[in-house]
Amino acid sequence: DGGITQSPKYLFRKEGQNVTLSCEQNLNHDAMYWYRQDPGQGLRLIYYSQIVNDFQKGDIAEGYSVSREKKESFPLTVTSAQKNPTAFYLCASSIPQAGNTEAFFGQGTRLTVV
Amino acid sequence: AQKITQTQPGMFVQEKEAVTLDCTYDTSDQSYGLFWYKQPSSGEMIFLIYQGSYDEQNATEGRYSLNFQKARKSANLVISASQLGDSAMYFCAMRGGDAGGTSYGKLTFGQGTILTVHP
Repeated sequence: DGGITQSPKYLFRKEGQNVTLSCEQNLNHDAMYWYRQDPGQGLRLIYYSQIVNDFQKGDIAEGYSVSREKKESFPLTVTSAQKNPTAFYLCASSIPQAGNTEAFFGQGTRLTVV
Repeated sequence: AQKITQTQPGMFVQEKEAVTLDCTYDTSDQSYGLFWYKQPSSGEMIFLIYQGSYDEQNATEGRYSLNFQKARKSANLVISASQLGDSAMYFCAMRGGDAGGTSYGKLTFGQGTILTVHP
């Protein structure tokens, strides 16, 4: 079945460490996105990529980095520069030019700093 | 810039009754799409319904309908015959585009409304 897989589901990080969240899709979508969700809040865009080897900063990119070397994969690294990384992270993909199609989401990764 | 506003942090409804979740938006884009997603406590995002800015008819999908009032910049979600399984967080989202309808891709989300359905 086609879909988006995020791993791990739960992740614990010590302060000062970098961690990488995985996002893989087999929907053949060109566009991929990373969102952050804090408890009881909406989703805020971290980074997005419309095509392989290209990506743009979203609204809250500071302290995060991404790469897009393959169409299927869009990993997110939470660096030690991110002051408050504890949150729920959601990856999504879509057909970028088709405005009437929804974005598909992964199951999310819950990151906790210990 | 785009902005989505959901003014109801929480809503309560009796099972089998209808409920309206409010959403207003602001954008300078020539065309845009409006989406509603449901997020159960498990965290997954479930797509419910879509409305295009040039669509003349209000969108409907089963028990979900979207009350689109373009002049008021509102896109309220109506859930008919509420079920206990409808209890979740609901998000309104927007994707902008150019005059030709080509999408800019990224979705902007509102803060969400927590819906609780009582038996």
